[in-house]
Amino acid sequence: EVQLVESGGGLVKPGGSLRLSCAASGFTFSTYSMNWVRQAPGKGLEWVSSISSSSSYIYYADSVKGRFTISRDNAKSSLYLQMNSLRAEDTAVYYCARGVGWPYYFDYWGQGTLVTVSS
Amino acid sequence: QTVVTQEPSFSVSPGGTVTLTCGLSSGSVSTSYSPSWYQQTPGQAPRALIYSTNTRSSGVPDRFSGSILGNKAALTITGAQADDESDYYCVLYMGGGANWVFGGGTKLTVL
Repeated sequence: EVQLVESGGGLVKPGGSLRLSCAASGFTFSTYSMNWVRQAPGKGLEWVSSISSSSSYIYYADSVKGRFTISRDNAKSSLYLQMNSLRAEDTAVYYCARGVGWPYYFDYWGQGTLVTVSS
Repeated sequence: QTVVTQEPSFSVSPGGTVTLTCGLSSGSVSTSYSPSWYQQTPGQAPRALIYSTNTRSSGVPDRFSGSILGNKAALTITGAQADDESDYYCVLYMGGGANWVFGGGTKLTVL
């Protein structure tokens, strides 16, 4: 069974940093792209970042470019999102999602981790 | 900046058929945008329904189908059931900087 479990969310002050993790199991992690998608409270979904299976290709939404860094450790079946210079508008539930095909579609999603940016 | 448009809300009677659409603020949606659709109930993670315009994700019943209708992508639900009451999101691949853009979502009510 495919499982994606996010962690690392919490309350952080504006300008602060946070590192999210996503632990994957139930599939061969190293053969799939991985993605982060977020959802602000009461709002819709927003794609944040994607990374190819070997980390050769990395993509970011304009809203986070230069502030967020996606990475992965295939040996640990883990995906990460380093978030710096956080803003109030980054407050959201952050989901990791497995990517399939090209262009990626997001076939399995974790339950999400809440990031709150507030003073 | 191009916006992906969806109906904010829609209602359907149990057993009825409903078609939700996914358009662009400028231009037409084609298969090259590789539209996909996701279902989300409150407090839950999204669930993949349709990808590459019209391919059902694993385990999705054939009551759900995807297509291009005119200048929009479409998700059609036939024989609507009470547990289809959810938010539905489309996402389009915009190319260039590998940019996926979600629509604002459609809240579907079954009553």
